[in-house]
Amino acid sequence: EDQVTQSPEALRLQEGESSSLNCSYTVSGLRGLFWYRQDPGKGPEFLFTLYSAGEEKEKERLKATLTKKESFLHITAPKPEDSATYLCAVDRAGGTSYGKLTFGQGTILTVHP
Amino acid sequence: DTAVSQTPKYLVTQMGNDKSIKCEQNLGHDTMYWYKQDSKKFLKIMFSYNNKELIINETVPNRFSPKSPDKAHLNLHINSLELGDSAVYFCASSPVSHYGYTFGSGTRLTVV
Repeated sequence: EDQVTQSPEALRLQEGESSSLNCSYTVSGLRGLFWYRQDPGKGPEFLFTLYSAGEEKEKERLKATLTKKESFLHITAPKPEDSATYLCAVDRAGGTSYGKLTFGQGTILTVHP
Repeated sequence: DTAVSQTPKYLVTQMGNDKSIKCEQNLGHDTMYWYKQDSKKFLKIMFSYNNKELIINETVPNRFSPKSPDKAHLNLHINSLELGDSAVYFCASSPVSHYGYTFGSGTRLTVV
């Protein structure tokens, strides 16, 4: 069974203090690894898809990287508006798993001014 | 302008009642999904439809029945609601499964 574990569960940063969130995964054949941001009372907002080990993607202060076992979401010089829950999910290649994402429990990020 | 819209946003109902949640997307996506987010924030897939055809039906009680009248709509009907059904239900859509989903804003269902 596919598994996704995110750490830490919660992270408090000062504005400008860079850090990383971790997503460890187990899947039999990765089609894609996704990062989402979720604000309170809202649906997850798509950030990135990574397809193969070594791939990196960037968006503003966020950079996502992928290895064969884990993904990191690096946050550089965060601002209070980056505060949210960050979710990681995997999509397994082939078979009956078409369109089924397995999510981690999320990391709650709080950035203090 | 909303890409994936769900109604209602909040639903409070008594045990044993039947209720429906509606979802519509205007993105032209072929695939739509229902996800359930429990109190621990885990998102878990319930159903997925591709062009009105049921693709995924996870281990969900028969009381839950999705219906897709066309590829832009996916509704969720729940019979005989139980306390354990209380959760946030998200509708989502995607052009193909390995592209980023677009989620709706969720329906918070509370069964009392």
